[in-house]
Amino acid sequence: QKEVEQNSGPLSVPEGAIASLNCTYSDRGSQSFFWYRQYSGKSPELIMSIYSNGDKEDGRFTAQLNKASQYVSLLIRDSQPSDSATYLCAVNMWEWGGSNYKLTFGKGTLLTVNP
Amino acid sequence: ETGVTQSPTHLIKTRGQQVTLRCSSQSGHNTVSWYQQALGQGPQFIFQYYREEENGRGNFPPRFSGLQFPNYSSELNVNALELDDSALYLCASSRVLRDGYTFGSGTRLTVV
Repeated sequence: QKEVEQNSGPLSVPEGAIASLNCTYSDRGSQSFFWYRQYSGKSPELIMSIYSNGDKEDGRFTAQLNKASQYVSLLIRDSQPSDSATYLCAVNMWEWGGSNYKLTFGKGTLLTVNP
Repeated sequence: ETGVTQSPTHLIKTRGQQVTLRCSSQSGHNTVSWYQQALGQGPQFIFQYYREEENGRGNFPPRFSGLQFPNYSSELNVNALELDDSALYLCASSRVLRDGYTFGSGTRLTVV
């Protein structure tokens, strides 16, 4: 069973701090990795994608990928109360029994940013 | 460019009934996937369609079935509804799978 695991939450940080969210995945052949943000009662929204080892920055968000360790992380700098949401790690995994990729999600980490 | 739209937004059904949920993919997206998200859990993959053919399925029983139409819109059908089917059902579309998926706003299904 191919899996995506996220660090157990909830995570609470003060406004202005750095929030660090972690994720590991089981399929060593995975090539595409995503972070989605999901506000309560809403659908997931794609905020970051990363395909190569290293860091990728977009505004206050930085995604980090280490394929050798099968590890993906998301850093949120200068956290704001509006960042309070569940963050879902998702990995595109090839289904050898099927014929295409399947996007597999972790359970998500609930982040609360306190004013 | 229109996004992914789902209908209805909310639905209440009785155990044993059948339900059909609908999804219109984002323009130019030929792959559509359906997910079930229970409260407090991550989305669980139900199945995926590419150019009207199912090309991937998760661990869901056959009473979960689907269709994709030539305009790439899609339906999810669930027969013999059970209480545990109560969840948020998400449709997601993609043009290039490597680039990720765009999600619709979801259908909240309650089975009583």
